[in-house]
Amino acid sequence: GAGVSQSPRYKVAKRGQDVALRCDPISGHVSLFWYQQALGQGPEFLTYFQNEAQLDKSGLPSDRFFAERPEGSVSTLKIQRTQQEDSAVYLCASSSTDWALQETQYFGPGTRLLVL
Amino acid sequence: AQSVTQPDIHITVSEGASLELRCNYSYGATPYLFWYVQSPGQGLQLLLKYFSGDTLVQGIKGFEAEFKRSQSSFNLRKPSVHWSDAAEYFCAVGSHMEYGNKLVFGAGTILRVKS
Repeated sequence: GAGVSQSPRYKVAKRGQDVALRCDPISGHVSLFWYQQALGQGPEFLTYFQNEAQLDKSGLPSDRFFAERPEGSVSTLKIQRTQQEDSAVYLCASSSTDWALQETQYFGPGTRLLVL
Repeated sequence: AQSVTQPDIHITVSEGASLELRCNYSYGATPYLFWYVQSPGQGLQLLLKYFSGDTLVQGIKGFEAEFKRSQSSFNLRKPSVHWSDAAEYFCAVGSHMEYGNKLVFGAGTILRVKS
């Protein structure tokens, strides 16, 4: 009955380092979303998975951002060669179906990334 | 493209007073509308949602919202605010994509409650 969990909760990286952020969705949820929330802003869509398939990555800001969900459950968002503008809270959300907007998206607590 | 505007960055109300948080959206079709609340260190929690039917929607924690198509608005209200309501509130519109869906959020309104 656990909700969406994310790890680590906080990450400090030096500019140029690679980071990996993990999301554990609610068990059995088909859809998984990543959002980026900059300071003082609302979350912005990054990418969407339906089971293991990444069906939309239109929100990824550059080719340094890569996400995967190889077995259709846990997902990892990887950022290569981090830049200061990548500093933000990265939110993961899951929902039980693949299409219906009526389905609630359940959000994790987020990973706060600070790039120095 | 879909967009959401929350005109108020900060709002301060006294405990026990009524609250209204404004939200305006831009969307070509019938909108799916949501209000989420975010407390420090917590994830976004859904307060309520509107898809169709009755334009006055009831949510958790005593919140309600009214959909007004003519004004493209979906304002959040609460008759009597409690200190525990202090948080950041986000309005969002659901957007169908080619495969699946996503939420488009406003910038948020920070609610402060004074005793």
